[in-house]
Amino acid sequence: GENVEQHPSTLSVQEGDSAVIKCTYSDSASNYFPWYKQELGKRPQLIIDIRSNVGEKKDQRIAVTLNKTAKHFSLHITETQPEDSAVYFCAARSYSSASKIIFGSGTRLSIRP
Amino acid sequence: GAGVSQTPSNKVTEKGKYVELRCDPISGHTALYWYRQSLGQGPEFLIYFQGTGAADDSGLPNDRFFAVRPEGSVSTLKIQRTERGDSAVYLCASSLRGQSTDTQYFGPGTRLTVL
Repeated sequence: GENVEQHPSTLSVQEGDSAVIKCTYSDSASNYFPWYKQELGKRPQLIIDIRSNVGEKKDQRIAVTLNKTAKHFSLHITETQPEDSAVYFCAARSYSSASKIIFGSGTRLSIRP
Repeated sequence: GAGVSQTPSNKVTEKGKYVELRCDPISGHTALYWYRQSLGQGPEFLIYFQGTGAADDSGLPNDRFFAVRPEGSVSTLKIQRTERGDSAVYLCASSLRGQSTDTQYFGPGTRLTVL
């Protein structure tokens, strides 16, 4: 069935450095790839998304890249700040199964001061 | 405007009991989703409503789980004969039309603990 794999499961970076989280998906019909940030005890919140007709998207310090051929997509956070500490989930959604979003297992990002 | 809301925020019950979890989606959103999130995991899809009808219930784990959305707005997730393995955070989300590229907005979740 559909599957999204995410790594690393935990990531610790020095404040000001960059963080990269990588995901792969199995369903070649996937056409929408959102990234959610979830702080402890809070709801997941969308931080950026990318559609399959685009290879890269950037929003201030956050960027996402998509390689459809390899079925890989990645989240890049530059100039990390303490408030970036959270769990990040990648996800994929298929045009053929538009109802459901399949989530990765999450990356716990910690920013060291 | 108001976001997705869920009640209760926490529910503690005993094994074998029946529970109902409520979701109020964003006003005007026709699509509503239920997910279950276990500790250290990503949300897992349960069921999707388009209007009043369950368009996809393939994620419901077994027949103890049922959900309704009788007027196309508020939804209730019902769990019969609860088991300890049902303990998790149950998240509700809504989107404007349910199209594949629509953003899903999540509620704060209901933390269910089955003793």
